[in-house]
Amino acid sequence: QVQLQESGPGLVKPSQTLSLTCTVSGGSISSGFYFWNWIRQPAGEGLEWVGRIYTVGSTNYSPSLKSRVTISVDTSKNQFSLKLSSVTAADTAVYYCAREVGATTGVFDIWGQGTLVTVSS
Amino acid sequence: QTVVTQEPSFSVSPGGTVTLTCGLSSGSVSTNYYPSWYQQTPGQAPRTLVYNTNTRSSGVPDRFSGSILWSKAALTITGAQADDESHYYCVLYMGGGVYVFGTGTKVTVL
Repeated sequence: QVQLQESGPGLVKPSQTLSLTCTVSGGSISSGFYFWNWIRQPAGEGLEWVGRIYTVGSTNYSPSLKSRVTISVDTSKNQFSLKLSSVTAADTAVYYCAREVGATTGVFDIWGQGTLVTVSS
Repeated sequence: QTVVTQEPSFSVSPGGTVTLTCGLSSGSVSTNYYPSWYQQTPGQAPRTLVYNTNTRSSGVPDRFSGSILWSKAALTITGAQADDESHYYCVLYMGGGVYVFGTGTKVTVL
């Protein structure tokens, strides 16, 4: 059974770059027709889609974050990663990685447990 | 920037019916947006309830149903139960590989 696990620093200073990794276990990140997504949720607020990657390297990003976001994949490590630059307190959130079935389905069928990232000096 | 709007909250009696909606700040929601619905309880990751407008995810009770109503995506809970008390989010596919989540609805069962 495929599982996802986020990892990375829980505290990032303002203006620096947030970096998170999602490790896929129980299956290959390259098998099947799946997109690999990042979704975030500030405390007490709603979900925000950040972006996604397909294993051949094609990416899509939220228009509101596009200038600061980079998502990459390392198939040899069965991981995909998120980098968010020039962070502010508004980027403080629980960050989830999630598997999407297909390209336009909106079916995020497997989620990581989420990791809290706090932006503070 | 596109805003996907949902009612902030609803209250429903046990056994009752409630319909949540998911609309666009400008324009109508159609099946072309492949609306899907998620349920989230505190401290947990969301789980898929309905996708592609009206297809229930595996294991989801049939009291949850999706549709398009009055130019909005809709999620109806028929015969609400206590454990349906949760936050509910819709998500729309905007084209170009981009998704937008709705603002979320908190459903209270009492």
